[in-house]
Amino acid sequence: QQQVKQSPQSLIVQKGGISIINCAYENTAFDYFPWYQQFPGKGPALLIAIRPDVSEKKEGRFTISFNKSAKQFSLHIMDSQPGDSATYFCAASISGNTPLVFGKGTRLSVIA
Amino acid sequence: EPEVTQTPSHQVTQMGQEVILRCVPISNHLYFYWYRQILGQKVEFLVSFYNNEISEKSEIFDDQFSVERPDGSNFTLKIRSTKLEDSAMYFCASSEATGGQTQYFGPGTRLLVL
Repeated sequence: QQQVKQSPQSLIVQKGGISIINCAYENTAFDYFPWYQQFPGKGPALLIAIRPDVSEKKEGRFTISFNKSAKQFSLHIMDSQPGDSATYFCAASISGNTPLVFGKGTRLSVIA
Repeated sequence: EPEVTQTPSHQVTQMGQEVILRCVPISNHLYFYWYRQILGQKVEFLVSFYNNEISEKSEIFDDQFSVERPDGSNFTLKIRSTKLEDSAMYFCASSEATGGQTQYFGPGTRLLVL
């Protein structure tokens, strides 16, 4: 019940295309859903986060869509660029300063 | 911009040896965390620390692990007797006490146990 399932494991997208990564969770107590971006040899960096009181959040080219009833959330990267090539992790946690539960990650490659 | 720092960046040790990984969290943060990431796998929670005590720990965080805040700035993870399977990237993270849940991660320490 603590798991966060992430798909796909890897993704190849043409430059300018839309990258979509999906996550699903079971624990309805989760109320904070961040996405982290990780480049090789670096720590995860917060990209964007959402709480279940909204269904969508957009920051620049990055959008989170949240479906509370389906217990799913997804990351959309519009106009994908080669510099977006990284591993993306979804995560979830319960209110307060509690541990993040991470998905297994998606390795995104944006090719020109 | 404030950031979490970690030292060393790389550590190679022999099985059975003790290692101490060091972290300097963001200065006004009061919650501290250690996570690990085995090569190619997901990031896993080890332990969280608040007000000079462990607030949560995972099943991975067994008796060979300990954490300490020895002074006002450092936060350390000690592995008493390292095993081959402890080889991983160890990330420190910190978050504010109130107003949000955002955890900021350091660059990590890559630990290799031979």
